[in-house]
Amino acid sequence: DTEVTQTPKHLVMGMTNKKSLKCEQHMGHRAMYWYKQKAKKPPELMFVYSYEKLSINESVPSRFSPECPNSSLLNLHLHALQPEDSALYLCASSQVASGRSIRTGELFFGEGSRLTVL
Amino acid sequence: AQSVTQLDSHVSVSEGTPVLLRCNYSSSYSPSLFWYVQHPNKGLQLLLKYTSAATLVKGINGFEAEFKKSETSFHLTKPSAHMSDAAEYFCVVRASYDKVIFGPGTSLSVIP
Repeated sequence: DTEVTQTPKHLVMGMTNKKSLKCEQHMGHRAMYWYKQKAKKPPELMFVYSYEKLSINESVPSRFSPECPNSSLLNLHLHALQPEDSALYLCASSQVASGRSIRTGELFFGEGSRLTVL
Repeated sequence: AQSVTQLDSHVSVSEGTPVLLRCNYSSSYSPSLFWYVQHPNKGLQLLLKYTSAATLVKGINGFEAEFKKSETSFHLTKPSAHMSDAAEYFCVVRASYDKVIFGPGTSLSVIP
């Protein structure tokens, strides 16, 4: 099983709503990522979890709140978003380099959650 | 520091002709290199990867790429384009689990 599953595929929310995006993988990967992607642009890193601990937060506004309840699940809680937050949100997972090796494998991406903020 | 340059923002080819998408990188370490493809409103799918084994890497759907350290390049090629190859292509450099650098992307159009 080499899948990363994201739900929902589409989400429309108002600026006062609270919603969550979910991501699940069963490949035993211990690094999980949230990316934001605008049209015709590469993905931009938001958060990285390593061994269920937040290791990177790329100065993301607090209206985005990540959570990693266990090694297979990653959530992104959304609250008081702005219209400019409308984008494709991608989850990914990968192995974590062991020891001092910096050679690592590929990221496995989900299909994404298309978010529209009205 | 790591960086990735994709020399063409858009490439247009006729169906059945060769495809060349160019990628140059810079890295302080010996990186892993990847090509991903993204079809409209889809996630990113791995085409192929280089991780210091053979310099000519074969991927899915007939794509291949050659790692040239002296030129710091990792160009993607395919002998014969198919309509289904029309998509966005990203070259990616990875030096550690948290240092993943995406190129700006190349949009490939295939003309029937």
